[in-house]
Amino acid sequence: GQNIDQPTEMTATEGAIVQINCTYQTSGFNGLFWYQQHAGEAPTFLSYNVLDGLEEKGRFSSFLSRSKGYSYLLLKELQMKDSASYLCAVRVAWGYSTLTFGKGTMLLVSP
Amino acid sequence: DSGVTQTPKHLITATGQRVTLRCSPRSGDLSVYWYQQSLDQGLQFLIQYYNGEERAKGNILERFSAQQFPDLHSELNLSSLELGDSALYFCASSVAGGQTNEKLFFGSGTQLSVL
Repeated sequence: GQNIDQPTEMTATEGAIVQINCTYQTSGFNGLFWYQQHAGEAPTFLSYNVLDGLEEKGRFSSFLSRSKGYSYLLLKELQMKDSASYLCAVRVAWGYSTLTFGKGTMLLVSP
Repeated sequence: DSGVTQTPKHLITATGQRVTLRCSPRSGDLSVYWYQQSLDQGLQFLIQYYNGEERAKGNILERFSAQQFPDLHSELNLSSLELGDSALYFCASSVAGGQTNEKLFFGSGTQLSVL
């Protein structure tokens, strides 16, 4: 099975930078995804990493270290609308497979 | 809008009852996934269908069942409902069966309340 850990909650200030960490333990690895979910809404795709390193997409970047079973999502120039839950999800390596999600990190951005 | 349609948005029912949740995937997507989300457990995978056939099974209770029809829409049936089944149920779709970089697109969910 898979075990995915993220902090439960984080707070940050508008305009700041925040890093949300995710560690995972899995018997196989075939990619890591980050999703954003506003309260009561559907999760929406943010980023994908399968190789080590940093993927940058506008204000959001995601990093992966496969040897450490570690990823982070970096959010820059925080805006109030970034207040949401951020879900880390792992796909295992055995052929076609689903995504297993962590419990999510609730980020609160204050003025 | 993800292109994934779920109905109904809200469902209130009593313990012991049976309900059906419906999902239409994005145009062209062959896979449908069902997830259950509760405050304490997070987003839990229930079951996946690919082109009409069951592809993967997660922590789905025996009281729950699903199917995918020839037009690729899917239904999740929940029976003998218990208070603990109250949760947000999401349907997601993807273009194929879950290849490496394949994203899941989520519907807006069905909020089930069992009283």
